Amino acid sequence: GEDVEQSLFLSVREGDSSVINCTYTDSSSTYLYWYKQEPGAGLQLLTYIFSNMDMKQDQRLTVLLNKKDKHLSLRIADTQTGDSAIYFCAESGSSNTGKLIFGQGTTLQVKP
Amino acid sequence: GAGVSQTPSNKVTEKGKYVELRCDPISGHTALYWYRQSLGQGPEFLIYFQGTGAADDSGLPNDRFFAVRPEGSVSTLKIQRTERGDSAVYLCASSSRRSYIYEQYFGPGTRLTVT
Repeated sequence: GEDVEQSLFLSVREGDSSVINCTYTDSSSTYLYWYKQEPGAGLQLLTYIFSNMDMKQDQRLTVLLNKKDKHLSLRIADTQTGDSAIYFCAESGSSNTGKLIFGQGTTLQVKP
Repeated sequence: GAGVSQTPSNKVTEKGKYVELRCDPISGHTALYWYRQSLGQGPEFLIYFQGTGAADDSGLPNDRFFAVRPEGSVSTLKIQRTERGDSAVYLCASSSRRSYIYEQYFGPGTRLTVT
């Protein structure tokens, strides 16, 4: 079946790096995604990685994919208070419709 | 340009009543998705439209839930005989088929409360 698991909460100091982890079950997922949800705002796509890649870097964001262990991580360098939000990992699963299977979200708290 | 809009933003209804939730996707986006997000959980897929047809409705929890997209643009999610367990935020997203990563643009959601 399709399932995505994340740790629920992470607290860091401003300026530190944050690492949010995710495990998924469907090895046929073509893409894996990280979405950000801020209070009162809609879900926003942060970044994604194609399943045949190990790493993707996008400014302060680094995505690491271990396909063997079905483990995905998001590293945010130089974390700012504006990064405080809920971060969702999502997989596309075996469907070719684009429907997403989300984890339960990791709340990132950034302390000044 | 305009993003995905959803109306109403909040809906309070009594158990047993019928509700309709509306989604206006980004103009030109042929793919439309409905998700449901319960408190403290991630969004859960309900239904996917490609154009006017429901291409995947495997996430609809039961036959009280139904959705339409008659002209391939606006979509309405309909819930009959609402139950307290239907209380959640209902999210709509749209996507362009030209986007090979299926990037989905989400609306702000409709918060449904069934009393």
